Amino acid sequence: AQRVTQPEKLLSVFKGAPVELKCNYSYSGSPELFWYVQYSRQRLQLLLRHISRESIKGFTADLNKGETSFHLKKPFAQEEDSAMYYCALGGYNTDKLIFGTGTRLQVFP
Amino acid sequence: DAGVIQSPRHEVTEMGQEVTLRCKPISGHNSLFWYRQTMMRGLELLIYFNNNVPIDDSGMPEDRFSAKMPNASFSTLKIQPSEPRDSAVYFCASTGANTEAFFGQGTRLTVV
Repeated sequence: AQRVTQPEKLLSVFKGAPVELKCNYSYSGSPELFWYVQYSRQRLQLLLRHISRESIKGFTADLNKGETSFHLKKPFAQEEDSAMYYCALGGYNTDKLIFGTGTRLQVFP
Repeated sequence: DAGVIQSPRHEVTEMGQEVTLRCKPISGHNSLFWYRQTMMRGLELLIYFNNNVPIDDSGMPEDRFSAKMPNASFSTLKIQPSEPRDSAVYFCASTGANTEAFFGQGTRLTVV
């Protein structure tokens, strides 16, 4: 079975502080991990995926198969990063895509 | 392409009424997903289709919920009869070959 856990519902930081949004997964096959973001009044959109190994808007995420984690990190948060962040899990042998419960990031000035 | 299109954007209905939500995926995408978003449970996968065929409907809450995809460009999610606890935002998403999911703007359903 596929499962995604995001333990924090809300994360509040001040501008310039480091951010880490936690995500753990459970999957018996080869996982594909994603982070999606939903800004206020906008659609959910892809932020980054583990296979790309790229930094988007200063965010990075490393897949740790040993710890079954895919935490999202940014060294210096900006006010415009305030949004809802969802970790998502797919698989190389499945089209099924499931999401965690989401973490709301609030960045204060 | 206008992206994934959902209608209506907002729906208010009385308990017991039938509700039909509609989705037009991105042309050429072969997988379509229906999700329900609530504060408590986040984004729950209700059902997904591949090449118009329902693959996994294990997330559908109960028999009051049904979904169809009669062709590659249209899908519906129906709730009959609706109940107040069905109030949520319902999202449709589609994916193509590169597995990135594109979401519609959602339908905010309120059952009173």
